[in-house]
Amino acid sequence: DAKTTQPPSMDCAEGRAANLPCNHSTISGNEYVYWYRQIHSQGPQYIIHGLKNNETNEMASLIITEDRKSSTLILPHATLRDTAVYYCIVSPSGSARQLTFGSGTQLTVLP
Amino acid sequence: GAVVSQHPSRVICKSGTSVKIECRSLDFQATTMFWYRQFPKKSLMLMATSNEGSKATYEQGVEKDKFLINHASLTLSTLTVTSAHPEDSSFYICSAREGLGETQYFGPGTRLLVL
Repeated sequence: DAKTTQPPSMDCAEGRAANLPCNHSTISGNEYVYWYRQIHSQGPQYIIHGLKNNETNEMASLIITEDRKSSTLILPHATLRDTAVYYCIVSPSGSARQLTFGSGTQLTVLP
Repeated sequence: GAVVSQHPSRVICKSGTSVKIECRSLDFQATTMFWYRQFPKKSLMLMATSNEGSKATYEQGVEKDKFLINHASLTLSTLTVTSAHPEDSSFYICSAREGLGETQYFGPGTRLLVL
């Protein structure tokens, strides 16, 4: 699986947009970009995923660059409950491949 | 999204005993389930992949005779930690995937403390 690089930590003011970057320069053509988050002492929560088009759901937006070598997760209006470790993972779809978790980005939303 | 449950949420046991953790997909059939372990301040590490009705595939360094995995139905997988020792104390998390679906859904985790 392609490796990802994320900043170890970020802060964001409550109510502002949180933009979390991820580099995946070795991504293969059949690999999706997945984002999960883990709030302290809980299991990871699925946020969003995409292949090459930008995606949006009720939680977040995912912006993937045209060359697919990087992406940005956008939380449009961060709240205190969005404080968590955010994981960017690349993995093929439609197979039994597991998700390989890196160290993620600790996002702290400040009041 | 799909819901995955785990039971128990936390367990304390004595060294040398065995502990069973259940993982259930509540509103979908999971052909594939995964078991992860997470130590404090560390990321999730995959332990094994299980497919319904077949033997689990263990990651390198994970003892299959110590961590017994059974995936007997499309909604239930169990992880049994046999002869637990204090170093097995950890946060155990399962995930499940429906068929060839694109997304894995995670359970809330089970915190195991071995005294």
